[in-house]
Amino acid sequence: AQTVTQSQPEMSVQEAETVTLSCTYDTSESDYYLFWYKQPPSRQMILVIRQEAYKQQNATENRFSVNFQKAAKSFSLKISDSQLGDAAMYFCAYRRVYGNKLVFGAGTILRVKS
Amino acid sequence: DAGVIQSPRHEVTEMGQEVTLRCKPISGHDYLFWYRQTMMRGLELLIYFNNNVPIDDSGMPEDRFSAKMPNASFSTLKIQPSEPRDSAVYFCASSRVGRWNTEAFFGQGTRLTVV
Repeated sequence: AQTVTQSQPEMSVQEAETVTLSCTYDTSESDYYLFWYKQPPSRQMILVIRQEAYKQQNATENRFSVNFQKAAKSFSLKISDSQLGDAAMYFCAYRRVYGNKLVFGAGTILRVKS
Repeated sequence: DAGVIQSPRHEVTEMGQEVTLRCKPISGHDYLFWYRQTMMRGLELLIYFNNNVPIDDSGMPEDRFSAKMPNASFSTLKIQPSEPRDSAVYFCASSRVGRWNTEAFFGQGTRLTVV
């Protein structure tokens, strides 16, 4: 069974600085998707970024980028120029290509200091 | 599209009562998922449907929990009888079938408190 591990329960970053959230996963499959979801205090789960395992190029969405290391089964999220609105719980998630079931990590609380 | 719609947003009920949570998925989506979020266990998949048919209910904690999807635009999650340990946030999510553009979109969740 696939598992996702987020080893940082909580992180802090100064506004305008850069922070990296860690995620590792375990799977025997070679093709899959990885996601980062953001959950602000409103509770809404918001998709931040997606990475296809067959792509070597790291995904980027504005200030959000990932460092995908397939051999190491690592998938970290980098947030540049952090803003107060980035404060939230961040979840890393894995999904088989055709499975559609998401397996979530435990989450990392990100605090942004002004 | 209005996104995945869940109701109610909050529910407070007494132990032993029946609770019904509702979900309207995004139109055109083939998959519907019910997740539960707690501090202790994080986000757990309870059950999911494909084209209104339950595919995997192995995450349903016990017989007190049941879920239905009578048509493509509506699903319910029922707890009968409810217990304090069922207190959690319940999310509904939907997605398309296939390889591309199949991200799961979540509703705003129902916060259930059983007293």
